Amino acid sequence: DAGITQSPRHKVTETGTPVTLRCHQTENHRYMYWYRQDPGHGLRLIHYSYGVKDTDKGEVSDGYSVSRSKTEDFLLTLESATSSQTSVYFCAISETGGTDTQYFGPGTRLTVL
Amino acid sequence: GESVGLHLPTLSVQEGDNSIINCAYSNSASDYFIWYKQESGKGPQFIIDIRSNMDKRQGQRVTVLLNKTVKHLSLQIAATQPGDSAVYFCAENYGGATNKLIFGTGTLLAVQP
Repeated sequence: DAGITQSPRHKVTETGTPVTLRCHQTENHRYMYWYRQDPGHGLRLIHYSYGVKDTDKGEVSDGYSVSRSKTEDFLLTLESATSSQTSVYFCAISETGGTDTQYFGPGTRLTVL
Repeated sequence: GESVGLHLPTLSVQEGDNSIINCAYSNSASDYFIWYKQESGKGPQFIIDIRSNMDKRQGQRVTVLLNKTVKHLSLQIAATQPGDSAVYFCAENYGGATNKLIFGTGTLLAVQP
């Protein structure tokens, strides 16, 4: 998985609780992305980062926030988890923007009860 | 696993046959297209890409064809093997310099021995 780890790999939580997912890379790539994957929707971009402290929204950003305080880590936070956020979350990295290939991590399965 | 699985179009082929997986993309301004393979429980894995100034690109056992007139992309896999069984996604780059991708919903390729 191109030097990308995600933690935790599985999590079950309750509605209304905060949740933070972590993506860690060892490739020193500038760009990092968070996607969610749901049946019938494929992968959808939540947020992305184009450098330390530089982030922007994707197509499904409502209810999520991100932070990137160092190159290797990109955190995704659900401030108050809802059942609609039950999904599989993938982190991806690319060396540059533009048309550079994105490489994906192994995913985190999140269940919100 | 982390793959979508439910309600996916399925292509069933015999081992050794050629497979063709099709994808319609949405944005005529997209200039970069990628095929990913996702095995059960894993993140998407890059297979091959193509830029909009090309109509065909070949890799090892795989070929991608791009028809910009009808906004259609196809992935051809030669001599399909059991290890090719997976969900295949096409993705288009719509974000220019920010490398934002839109993914299709995927096709399940089932290889029969």
